[in-house]
Amino acid sequence: QLQLQEPGPGLVKPSETLSLTCTVSGGSISSRGYCWDWIRQPPGKGLQWIATICYTGNTYYNPSLKSRVAISVDTSMNHFSLKLSSVSVADTAVYFCARRIPYSDYFDPWGQGTLVTVSS
Amino acid sequence: QSVLTQPPSVSAAPGQKVTISCSGSSSNIGNKLVSWYQQFPGTAPKLLIYENDKRPSGIPDRFSGSKSGTSATLGITGLQTGDEADYYCGTWDTSRNGVVFGGGTKLTVL
Repeated sequence: QLQLQEPGPGLVKPSETLSLTCTVSGGSISSRGYCWDWIRQPPGKGLQWIATICYTGNTYYNPSLKSRVAISVDTSMNHFSLKLSSVSVADTAVYFCARRIPYSDYFDPWGQGTLVTVSS
Repeated sequence: QSVLTQPPSVSAAPGQKVTISCSGSSSNIGNKLVSWYQQFPGTAPKLLIYENDKRPSGIPDRFSGSKSGTSATLGITGLQTGDEADYYCGTWDTSRNGVVFGGGTKLTVL
């Protein structure tokens, strides 16, 4: 059974870079036919898709975050990562990682999520 | 504002049926497949419906999905108090080259 886990730093200072890693267990991140995504949810608000990286190597980013975001995969560690630079209070959110099936574009499974608070 | 439009809240009595709408455009719902997620407070979203109307293993047939044109609908019959949650629709948007979600709908079972 595939599981994703994304422990986070908890607290990040404004203007710094947020770094998150999602570890995949119960399956290989190199498996053909899948994409690996980051989604976030500000407190009390809805879901916002951040970025994806697919088995083809293709990456796509939310246009509103594109200038500050980078997603990458480390197949040797079976994990994928997110870096969000120049964070502000508006980036405070629960960050989820998830596997996405391309073309059908649904997410399953999801990680449990990690709350990242941006504060000085 | 979310790219996909959902009602902020819906409510119905136990045992009744409720529908949740998700409205988009030709760059997303109109030409792409829709999925639905159920989220309880403090937990991760859970896949409820994929490819417009398919249920993953373990999801009861009380939950159904449909799509027509640029709108999609989630239906829940035989409402139970345990169905109280937030529900989100999602799909790919070709003009944004990314996934878009609805703003979420809070279901209250009175």
